[in-house]
Amino acid sequence: ETGVTQTPRHLVMGMTNKKSLKCEQHLGHNAMYWYKQSAKKPLELMFVYNFKEQTENNSVPSRFSPECPNSSHLFLHLHTLQPEDSALYLCASSLRTATGGETQYFGPGTRLLVL
Amino acid sequence: AQSVTQLGSHVSVSEGALVLLRCNYSSSVPPYLFWYVQYPNQGLQLLLKYTSAATLVKGINGFEAEFKKSETSFHLTKPSAHMSDAAEYFCAVSKGYSTLTFGKGTMLLVSP
Repeated sequence: ETGVTQTPRHLVMGMTNKKSLKCEQHLGHNAMYWYKQSAKKPLELMFVYNFKEQTENNSVPSRFSPECPNSSHLFLHLHTLQPEDSALYLCASSLRTATGGETQYFGPGTRLLVL
Repeated sequence: AQSVTQLGSHVSVSEGALVLLRCNYSSSVPPYLFWYVQYPNQGLQLLLKYTSAATLVKGINGFEAEFKKSETSFHLTKPSAHMSDAAEYFCAVSKGYSTLTFGKGTMLLVSP
């Protein structure tokens, strides 16, 4: 595997379910990100991790719970979601967060549908 | 706070025609600027970025963008559109950190 991978690619869940999204980067990067992409809206940054430590949480509801066990893996745990949470969830990584101009490399995303 | 405005949610061109996608930014300090492309059912891929070196930046697939500080613009161009260029294009800005602020995106439609 190369680049940034995400699993599953598609997910349908009920509002009472608990599920997790997985992201893995094979680039040797130290920073990882979760974004939400909804129709007609700009990409929304959700969480940022740098060297496994969360450095940014953009007022994301607690029904989204991130986990970063190491610099290569990032999870997004989902529980009691709402239909408006249906979106494409994108993971990205970059070499580091401390320096501007770093390129972020994106995974293909997980298309989530909440019924 | 920085922000990005992309003019036109959809742009239609004929194959072989000039592609021009507009991006204006707002930033209180010299920014880093990016253009990303998203093909259907895929993540975002970097086309090019401006990091305060040359103001005319060349990217992949024949695209280029020019940083104009006086106009706070970073428009994306390609001299001759190809059918494979049909995708959604995102302009983004960062200021000192790697966190990006994205525009709403412009869908490029290419007709034969």
